[in-house]
Amino acid sequence: GENVEQHPSTLSVQEGDSAVIKCTYSDSASNYFPWYKQELGKGPQLIIDIRSNVGEKKDQRIAVTLNKTAKHFSLHITETQPEDSAVYFCAAVNNNDMRFGAGTRLTVKP
Amino acid sequence: DTAVSQTPKYLVTQMGNDKSIKCEQNLGHDTMYWYKQDSKKFLKIMFSYNNKELIINETVPNRFSPKSPDKAHLNLHINSLELGDSAVYFCASSLGTSGIGGELFFGEGSRLTVL
Repeated sequence: GENVEQHPSTLSVQEGDSAVIKCTYSDSASNYFPWYKQELGKGPQLIIDIRSNVGEKKDQRIAVTLNKTAKHFSLHITETQPEDSAVYFCAAVNNNDMRFGAGTRLTVKP
Repeated sequence: DTAVSQTPKYLVTQMGNDKSIKCEQNLGHDTMYWYKQDSKKFLKIMFSYNNKELIINETVPNRFSPKSPDKAHLNLHINSLELGDSAVYFCASSLGTSGIGGELFFGEGSRLTVL
């Protein structure tokens, strides 16, 4: 089955800096890669996603890149703000099977 | 208006007891899920129901029994609770199955503590 690895497990940046979270997946048939943000005491919420026929997608300060050959994808957050502090999860989906990475706790220091 | 609501939010109980967590979604979605999040924040799928039919059943002890009376509700019953069952349990729903484009909408979680 699919195995998703996510790094780093914790990330601390200064407000205004960029943050990058990386994930690799094992199943080359996976074709959809969402990213979820989980704030303290809340459930995860989709923030951006990318399909396998696209290499990059951007939505304001967040962007995701996908390298199908290398089977890795990344989340980029620019101009980080304290409200970006949360746990971020990547996921890889093959048909109806969605597997999450282990999560990255991002802390943005004001 | 809450989209995916689960109750209770907190549950503290003794080992060996039986407890239930309820989930309801008002989004008109066809598929509902239960996820377990352990202390290290790892999110693991437990069950998935599509139109009241079980479609995903991961390797979960048979002490856990999901029940979907209709497609808007998916309840989780746990028998003979063990210490290792302590976790946050998340209910989620999606319009279709979690395949391509199937955004998951999560509830706020139910924190279960087994003493």
